[in-house]
Amino acid sequence: KQEVTQIPAALSVPEGENLVLNCSFTDSAIYNLQWFRQDPGKGLTSLLLIQSSQREQTSGRLNASLDKSSGRSTLYIAASQPGDSATYLCALITGANSKLTFGKGITLSVRP
Amino acid sequence: NAGVTQTPKFQVLKTGQSMTLQCAQDMNHEYMSWYRQDPGMGLRLIHYSVGAGITDQGEVPNGYNVSRSTTEDFPLRLLSAAPSQTSVYFCASSRGGSRNTEAFFGQGTRLTVV
Repeated sequence: KQEVTQIPAALSVPEGENLVLNCSFTDSAIYNLQWFRQDPGKGLTSLLLIQSSQREQTSGRLNASLDKSSGRSTLYIAASQPGDSATYLCALITGANSKLTFGKGITLSVRP
Repeated sequence: NAGVTQTPKFQVLKTGQSMTLQCAQDMNHEYMSWYRQDPGMGLRLIHYSVGAGITDQGEVPNGYNVSRSTTEDFPLRLLSAAPSQTSVYFCASSRGGSRNTEAFFGQGTRLTVV
C-alpha cells in the first residue's frame, strides 16, 4: 500500500526566506504527483502537477521536483511571503483512475 | 468559471438521519471522487467514478452510497448518519487518463452529526 509522508507537520519561517517542503512515498510506481495548497476552512487549490516522466515543474515562485527512484518530491518556495501561510499537501496518483493518496500536509507560517 | 461546486457548505444532522451531499462540475471531466478530511488522518477516499454509470469503493466506503447518472453530477448519500461521519467532505474531478490527472476540488461540505 502506498504511503505518503510529509515531515515536519508544521514550519514557521521569517518573511523572505527560501524554503523547501518535503514529500516522501514508499512505492515508486506512480503516474503523477500533485501539490496542493489549503487555506483554513477552504478547499484544496492545485499548485503544480508533475507527470511521472518529468523531473520538475515551475509556477512563479514555486518549483516542484520529483525523484521516483528515491521516493521523494520537494516543493521549493522562493522569497516566502506572509500570504504563503497555509497547509501544503502532496498527493500521488498511482493509476489511470486518478485516485489520489495524500500526505497529511505541512502547515506553513511565514512571519512578517 | 465555476469548476467543482459542492452544496451545502455546512450541515448539522441528528444521528440516524439521511442526507445527500451534492457535487457538480462543469469541465466535462470523466473522473469524480469523494474524500473526507479528518484531523490527524488527512484526506481519505470514500468513493470514486470513472464515468457515468460506473462507480467504485475507495478506502472508507462504509455508510456512504453513490451513483453517477450524468457526467456532471456525483452525489454522496449518507444512509443513516453517525457521529463518526462528522467530517469535512470534498468532491474532486479530473479529466482522466495517464497524462490528464490534475485534480480540481470543491470548497467542501462541513458536516456535524450530533
